[in-house]
Amino acid sequence: ETGVTQSPTHLIKTRGQQVTLRCSSQSGHNTVSWYQQALGQGPQFIFQYYREEENGRGNFPPRFSGLQFPNYSSELNVNALELDDSALYLCASSRTRRGYTFGSGTRLTVV
Amino acid sequence: DQQVKQNSPSLSVQEGRISILNCDYTNSMFDYFLWYKKYPAEGPTFLISISSIKDKNEDGRFTVFLNKSAKHLSLHIVPSQPGDSAVYFCAAIERNSGGSNYKLTFGKGTLLTVNP
Repeated sequence: ETGVTQSPTHLIKTRGQQVTLRCSSQSGHNTVSWYQQALGQGPQFIFQYYREEENGRGNFPPRFSGLQFPNYSSELNVNALELDDSALYLCASSRTRRGYTFGSGTRLTVV
Repeated sequence: DQQVKQNSPSLSVQEGRISILNCDYTNSMFDYFLWYKKYPAEGPTFLISISSIKDKNEDGRFTVFLNKSAKHLSLHIVPSQPGDSAVYFCAAIERNSGGSNYKLTFGKGTLLTVNP
């Protein structure tokens, strides 16, 4: 079975730009979550999608948005990038609360 | 306000000895706890978990202990090996996070270094 894959692995963007990060879920997993990990911090929950609907959101502004597709893959979109958005963005897929699988993440740098 | 706290940013132990990583939580609604291990440039990898109806769960060299009254859990690694050197995250899920709402709340992590 394939794991969770994220693309791209690294990205540099300019403040004010928009970015789209992509995630392919592990086979059989219908729930996908996105986390932001700033330097020296633990991952922070951004939001979660189940069957193409957002069903949970953390303390992130609306310029963070997402999509889940019928094949359970997902996108994270961030508009109007700020310097503080520089972080590692992690995608995790699951089918039950016991089965999280994380991708290797996308390292976003905003300059 | 941090609901999951790992108060030791780092821990150094000798190969073969026991590593004990600690985690405290404040949210009484948490009923499932997980430990993840993370190497640089990789995503977190699931290590071991425990439900709040148990006080101990063991898997090979890894044992997690849960003290609900103290809202404290610990991960024991015996014997420690150099390959265990990584950042360890404690995470928790709320009870009645219904349907498929599986939000994980993480601590800040503890960097474990196992010296040969």
